[in-house]
Amino acid sequence: ELKVEQNPLFLSMQEGKNYTIYCNYSTTSDRLYWYRQDPGKSLESLFVLLSNGAVKQEGRLMASLDTKARLSTLHITAAVHDLSATYFCAVDIPPSNTGKLIFGQGTTLQVKP
Amino acid sequence: GAVVSQHPSWVICKSGTSVKIECRSLDFQATTMFWYRQFPKQSLMLMATSNEGSKATYEQGVEKDKFLINHASLTLSTLTVTSAHPEDSSFYICSAWTALAKNIQYFGAGTRLSVL
Repeated sequence: ELKVEQNPLFLSMQEGKNYTIYCNYSTTSDRLYWYRQDPGKSLESLFVLLSNGAVKQEGRLMASLDTKARLSTLHITAAVHDLSATYFCAVDIPPSNTGKLIFGQGTTLQVKP
Repeated sequence: GAVVSQHPSWVICKSGTSVKIECRSLDFQATTMFWYRQFPKQSLMLMATSNEGSKATYEQGVEKDKFLINHASLTLSTLTVTSAHPEDSSFYICSAWTALAKNIQYFGAGTRLSVL
């Protein structure tokens, strides 16, 4: 069964703190995607991780991919209120290169002043 | 980046009526468009895959007669929710994908459907 599981599902943190969101998946996909969704809005692409060991950083967010462990992490450094949103990871539904994605449950991040 | 326009952004309709949602890729030709459904505080669930000029492929459990998809051109796909009922109320999101940009999927802004 195809599964993408995120942990935690809800995260409340103080500004300035660091935290990591985990994404485990069951497929053999070599690509993993991270998206951000603000309430009532659609998805904003954050990162596309294309291979084992890939690491990408944008501002206070850093994503990494371990295809052997089928695990991706989204690390938040020194959180600020603007990062409050729901974050989804997604992987290709096999066969790859069709564009079909399966999403994790989403992690709702709440950053408190 | 590429832009996908989805219209309308919000629609309220009476039970039993049909609602059409449009998804347009504005600056590229989309090989494939996808339709997702999202219930409150839940993840996105793929409903169907729409390829230009061919019949849509529906995911298991999605009624094809209920959710009619037409992909008449490389820039336009439509989803029609037929005989809508309150349980069809949801957030519908389309996305556009092309083999020329395999790693990127461009999402529309979403349509919030409320069926009374």
